[in-house]
Amino acid sequence: NAGVTQTPKFRILKIGQSMTLQCTQDMNHNYMYWYRQDPGMGLKLIYYSVGAGITDKGEVPNGYNVSRSTTEDFPLRLELAAPSQTSVYFCASSVTGNTIYFGEGSWLTVV
Amino acid sequence: AQTVTQSQPEMSVQEAETVTLSCTYDTSESDYYLFWYKQPPSRQMILVIRQEAYKQQNATENRFSVNFQKAAKSFSLKISDSQLGDAAMYFCAYKPGGSEKLVFGKGTKLTVNP
Repeated sequence: NAGVTQTPKFRILKIGQSMTLQCTQDMNHNYMYWYRQDPGMGLKLIYYSVGAGITDKGEVPNGYNVSRSTTEDFPLRLELAAPSQTSVYFCASSVTGNTIYFGEGSWLTVV
Repeated sequence: AQTVTQSQPEMSVQEAETVTLSCTYDTSESDYYLFWYKQPPSRQMILVIRQEAYKQQNATENRFSVNFQKAAKSFSLKISDSQLGDAAMYFCAYKPGGSEKLVFGKGTKLTVNP
């Protein structure tokens, strides 16, 4: 049971670089999400998708882009990385949109 | 705006004892869901328990139970027979029925003392 798998787990980026966080789920869930968690805080929604080809913004979408070409994959693209994007990123999925299951997180540091 | 408040930044409990974590939320919606998530030091988010607002019966999962007071907009988590493995951050979260936005509280750090 792989569930929600994120890669990489750790990454250090220089200011202005770009990268993609990969997320894949093997549960055939139609809903997928990207959250970020800053130190001492709860999670905040960046983007979400209700199915292949459909994405929408969450609370904190600036500086990020997503795509959903398949049911399984939901990559998060960071363009022109900034120190404010240093955070832990969580991908998640759900089948009904109600109970959400999370991946193990990706630690990103921008220096 | 919908908000979730966890008023206890830290709590501690003796092993085998019972502890209650508090959560209140603010909403004008009638259809919504409430969750407790556990985040151990590994930082993985683990679903502990969920409650549908339309259900009057409090949810229970083994040693974990909730006290859902809809009128008071309160959703506390009770952990019975606490174990060392229960030590973690606990996040309360709210989701309106028609939205995909899960709103989190700031968390409560639970320490379990042997």
